[in-house]
Amino acid sequence: GAVVSQHPSRVICKSGTSVKIECRSLDFQATTMFWYRQFPKKSLMLMATSNEGSKATYEQGVEKDKFLINHASLTLSTLTVTSAHPEDSSFYICSARDNGGGTEAFFGQGTRLTVV
Amino acid sequence: KQEVTQIPAALSVPEGENLVLNCSFTDSAIYNLQWFRQDPGKGLTSLLLIQSSQREQTSGRLNASLDKSSGRSTLYIAASQPGDSATYLCAVWKLTNQAGTALIFGKGTTLSVSS
Repeated sequence: GAVVSQHPSRVICKSGTSVKIECRSLDFQATTMFWYRQFPKKSLMLMATSNEGSKATYEQGVEKDKFLINHASLTLSTLTVTSAHPEDSSFYICSARDNGGGTEAFFGQGTRLTVV
Repeated sequence: KQEVTQIPAALSVPEGENLVLNCSFTDSAIYNLQWFRQDPGKGLTSLLLIQSSQREQTSGRLNASLDKSSGRSTLYIAASQPGDSATYLCAVWKLTNQAGTALIFGKGTTLSVSS
């Protein structure tokens, strides 16, 4: 199956700093990638849809100025958590769909962010 | 608003048992349904994708069914093994106003298979 690589897998940062998470589709092109956040024992919450070459579309309640998304190429999307606070600590997962392969979604390994 | 519910939330079985995980969704206007596996602290592994026009998909010991009219899907695991222990997530592709389509997830069923 298609591979989505997410980096880093874990990051610890200080309050007030920014953290960038990368999501790459390794063997396929993805016009659209998705960013999710997962709280403990909760379902994945869709944060935003990343669109190659255009602005991301955010779900209701997600601060676009805090969670900056850039999708500069067909294989890379980045999520930057700006001015991180402890409440931003969470598990972030990206997903991508193969442009040529229907609607099956493939997920990255996730990033555990801890803000101290 | 599409809501996805999974029952049970947790399940413990001895090795070798056949088991069924349930998923229901409130809006039958879905594109596809997908079952995932998530190991603790890890990302998601796609198990089965059922197109909206299909009724079931099979992969090895896994069989997933879809009944759009009743808003239900089941994941059947045959001859369970300790390595099947994980959280199983059901998700439906839903048309959204903002971005076209997106996956809406249930909270998952955490399965524990003892040897």
